[in-house]
This record gives sequence, C-alpha cells and structure tokens, in this order.
Amino acid sequence: EDKVVQSPLSLVVHEGDTVTLNCSYEVTNFRSLLWYKQEKKAPTFLFMLTSSGIEKKSGRLSSILDKKELSSILNITATQTGDSAIYLCAVLGGSNYKLTFGKGTLLTVNP
Amino acid sequence: GAVVSQHPSRVICKSGTSVKIECRSLDFQATTMFWYRQFPKQSLMLMATSNEGSKATYEQGVEKDKFLINHASLTLSTLTVTSAHPEDSSFYICSARADSEQYFGPGTRLTVT
Repeated sequence: EDKVVQSPLSLVVHEGDTVTLNCSYEVTNFRSLLWYKQEKKAPTFLFMLTSSGIEKKSGRLSSILDKKELSSILNITATQTGDSAIYLCAVLGGSNYKLTFGKGTLLTVNP
Repeated sequence: GAVVSQHPSRVICKSGTSVKIECRSLDFQATTMFWYRQFPKQSLMLMATSNEGSKATYEQGVEKDKFLINHASLTLSTLTVTSAHPEDSSFYICSARADSEQYFGPGTRLTVT
C-alpha cells in the first residue's frame, strides 16, 4: 500500500524563524511529489518535484526531492503569520496518476 | 492556471436524503477527476477516480452504491451521497487532472443532521 509520512505533525514558531517540513514516501511507480498549502478550504498548489536534487523556489519557500532517500523537504524562511496553514505532501504514482496524501504538518506562526 | 469549481460550497441535509455535488473544470478538459474526503484535522483521503465515459474506480472501503459518481462529460463530474447519515458529514473535494498536475476545487462542506 502506498504511504506518505510527514513530520512533524505540528509546529509552532515565531515570525522570522525558518522552518523545515519533512515528507517521506513509499509509492509504486513514483511520478512526482507535490506540496500543497491548505488554509480553510481546498489545498493550493505550491510545488511539483520530479527530478532528484533540483531545488524549486518561490519567494521564501523552497523544496527539494531526494529520490534515493525517498523524501522531500519544504523550507520556509523568514516566516510570517500568513504562512500559518497545514502543509500537505502528496505523491503521484500508480497507473492512474493517483495522489496519496500525507497527514500534513500544521504550522502556526506567532507574531 | 486551470480552474476547478464545485457546487454547492456548503450543504446541510437531513439524514436519509441524497445530496449531489458537482465538480467542473472551467477552462480545460479533464479526462480524469478525483474525489477526496477530508474529516476534521485529517488529511485528504481519495475516495474514487472518475474517468469520463466509464465507471469510476473506488478505493478500498468506499461504498460504490452509497457514493455514486458520474463523469458525463470532459468538464463535469458529480458525486451523489445517497441516504446520507451524520457520519457522512465531511469536506468533499474534487480535483481534475491537466497534464501531470491536479487542480483542486474549493470543496463542499456537507453536514448531515
């Protein structure tokens, strides 16, 4: 059975801190790994990673995939209160492009 | 980017009634749509994969007779929760595949009283 594990499950930091969120996976026919941010409604897309070792960056957020270790990290630098959300890691795999989600990391950024 | 809409955004129904949720891809055609369910403080769980013009593929543990999925066109998939019970109260989210990415609808909050 495909599995995606995220850690930590929750994290509380102060504004300005840097955080690293972890995601590891066991998936058949791996195609890509995706990071999403979920606030009150449906998840919004952050990154898709397909190739190992290549960092994707968007502003203060960056992510990298390690296919050898079957893992990925999401970094957020200089955190702001608006970064407070659940960050979901999902892996695309299988014959039908099935997305398997981790349980998410609840990030709380305090002023 | 691609836009996926869901309707309704919120619905309250009585136990025993049926509820239909629509998922539309607004500016692209989606041969495959996915239906997820999310209980409070839990992650998204895939319920079924909906392919246009064919029967949906349900995940283990999801009752196909209770959660009816129809993917009648390349831009519309519907999920009908039949004979809803309070334990079906959840956040239902659809997504549509475009190339290798999935785009999520805004979700439907179902409350069964």
